Amino acid sequence: GAGVSQSPSNKVTEKGKDVELRCDPISGHTALYWYRQSLGQGLEFLIYFQGNSAPDKSGLPSDRFSAERTGGSVSTLTIQRTQQEDSAVYLCASSPEGQASYGYTFGSGTRLTVV
Amino acid sequence: AQSVSQHNHHVILSEAASLELGCNYSYGGTVNLFWYVQYPGQHLQLLLKYFSGDPLVKGIKGFEAEFIKSKFSFNLRKPSVQWSDTAEYFCAVSNTGGFKTIFGAGTRLFVKA
Repeated sequence: GAGVSQSPSNKVTEKGKDVELRCDPISGHTALYWYRQSLGQGLEFLIYFQGNSAPDKSGLPSDRFSAERTGGSVSTLTIQRTQQEDSAVYLCASSPEGQASYGYTFGSGTRLTVV
Repeated sequence: AQSVSQHNHHVILSEAASLELGCNYSYGGTVNLFWYVQYPGQHLQLLLKYFSGDPLVKGIKGFEAEFIKSKFSFNLRKPSVQWSDTAEYFCAVSNTGGFKTIFGAGTRLFVKA
């Protein structure tokens, strides 16, 4: 597509429920990133996918968080048993190759609110 | 630890004033440096980036940034701001050849008309 598409744009969920966030990167971009932006904080790296290589999960804050990327394109970030501290804007970005030097194209984000 | 520090969290300027937003980083090795901007209600977008060569980088909308290696700095400047520059600005850094980008906490700029 023309840009990075994320859905839903907003999600309100009850504490303890599972949520799935979706990212559709720019067609042809092999690298895909998930970041989290909390109020007053910078962007926190979560996970990185490059082509068919094993993802770098070093930024995932707990084992309640997982992500997958199917067919080298669409990615889903899953948060199990959500907690209030998970409330944030979850941003997806893609780039042409697996080097950050290209810069990222970001989606509009999913605003997650856990009540 | 790798980090990016933005000096000001909030900046308020009048139109036509000059802008300088500070950014310092702590990162080993050679780096790539970025400024991203997020306008109200819009997604983050790349404003400018430095790879190598001329340390003075020019970006969109009249913005520029200067890489000073000895100071580990990459400050963003604009000679005369406009109301439409109201946005949040993020400094970011990555290792050359690396995949991960570290972002600063952001600076919210408000330009009074």
